[in-house]
Amino acid sequence: AQSVTQLDSQVPVFEEAPVELRCNYSSSVSVYLFWYVQYPNQGLQLLLKYLSGSTLVESINGFEAEFNKSQTSFHLRKPSVHISDTAEYFCAVRPGWSSNTGKLIFGQGTTLQVKP
Amino acid sequence: DVKVTQSSRYLVKRTGEKVFLECVQDMDHENMFWYRQDPGLGLRLIYFSYDVKMKEKGDIPEGYSVSREKKERFSLILESASTNQTSMYLCASSPPARTDTQYFGPGTRLTVL
Repeated sequence: AQSVTQLDSQVPVFEEAPVELRCNYSSSVSVYLFWYVQYPNQGLQLLLKYLSGSTLVESINGFEAEFNKSQTSFHLRKPSVHISDTAEYFCAVRPGWSSNTGKLIFGQGTTLQVKP
Repeated sequence: DVKVTQSSRYLVKRTGEKVFLECVQDMDHENMFWYRQDPGLGLRLIYFSYDVKMKEKGDIPEGYSVSREKKERFSLILESASTNQTSMYLCASSPPARTDTQYFGPGTRLTVL
């Protein structure tokens, strides 16, 4: 069965420092990959996604993620974080062969705590 | 903008009560989902629906049922609430294409006493 592993449950970091949130998935077939963000007391919002093409994808607020097929990873990075980036981040996978039900498999989540 | 609304942000119920959680989306999406979110476990799929009156079990359907009588509305039902169903419940919807994202509601935090 498909699975997604987020290797860190909490990542504390100081403001303006770089950060990497790690995500690995188990799949031998093509996949679509997503990162979602959940700000306090809100639902999840899509941050970025990889469908095909360039393995480096970017969000509008400075995050980027790189699809690495050989390592089955999709790590999320930001060169300089802000206090407002404090949130929980979820990595998710959808197998490329799946039916059109749109099901996603989520990781356990990583809480990013940005300190002043 | 896509909007997914959930009937309550916070809900407190007693053990044994029947609980209804309502979700409505305004973008004519075919797919709708119910998840529960617990610390350290991420999101776990309870049920999903890919069309009116169509439903499939997710990973943790025990103790829950769903109803989808209209395309825009997907209800989660706890037949007899128990304390281990205390959780955050998230509803989502998506178009049918595999490349499309899911759109989430704000969540309902349910406490069962």
